[in-house]
Amino acid sequence: EVQLVESGGGLVQPGESLRLSCVASGLTFTNVWMTWVRQAPGKGLEWIGRIKNKVDGGTADIAAPVKGRFTISRDDSKNTLYLQMNSLKTEDTAVYYCTTAAFWGQGTLVAVSS
Amino acid sequence: SYELTQPSSVSVSPGQTARITCSGDVLAKRYVRWFQQKPGQAPVLVIYRDNERPAGISARFSGSSSGTTVTLTISGAQVGDEADYYCYSAADNSPHVVFGGGTRLTVL
Repeated sequence: EVQLVESGGGLVQPGESLRLSCVASGLTFTNVWMTWVRQAPGKGLEWIGRIKNKVDGGTADIAAPVKGRFTISRDDSKNTLYLQMNSLKTEDTAVYYCTTAAFWGQGTLVAVSS
Repeated sequence: SYELTQPSSVSVSPGQTARITCSGDVLAKRYVRWFQQKPGQAPVLVIYRDNERPAGISARFSGSSSGTTVTLTISGAQVGDEADYYCYSAADNSPHVVFGGGTRLTVL
């Protein structure tokens, strides 16, 4: 059974940083492209970015609204995907999901408020 | 900018066929995925490559494509199909991906 488990969310103040993690099991993590998606309260899904597998170059692409503040990385030895979020803004408040598209985690809530 | 346009809501009676559209210029060249999201739950992939169904997804769900519009069809809609549905596709000449705004399906 494939499982994706996100962690690292919480309440932070504007300007602070957080690092989210997503641990994968039940799949060959080194083979998959991984994506971060977020959903603000009461809003739709928003693509944040994704990282390719190493064979395809291992590069990451980030959506324009968070480019320069968010970074995606992966550690294949730990089957783990990361989202480093810096200079957080109130509009970054959302549930953050990691996904392969076919499989999704349950999400982790990030709340940015003073 | 690249956008995918969906109707905000679709309503059908139980047993009827629900059709949810997704429009965007690039859809003539890119595949679409469809996701179902029920309240408080993570999204679930119901269609990929415009019309392929993942294992475990009911055959009542199907997809089709015509030019710049793709359609998710739910045959014999049930109350349990009530959810938000999102289309998802890559942009042309860009590594970026975008979601449609979502469609709230009501079955009553």
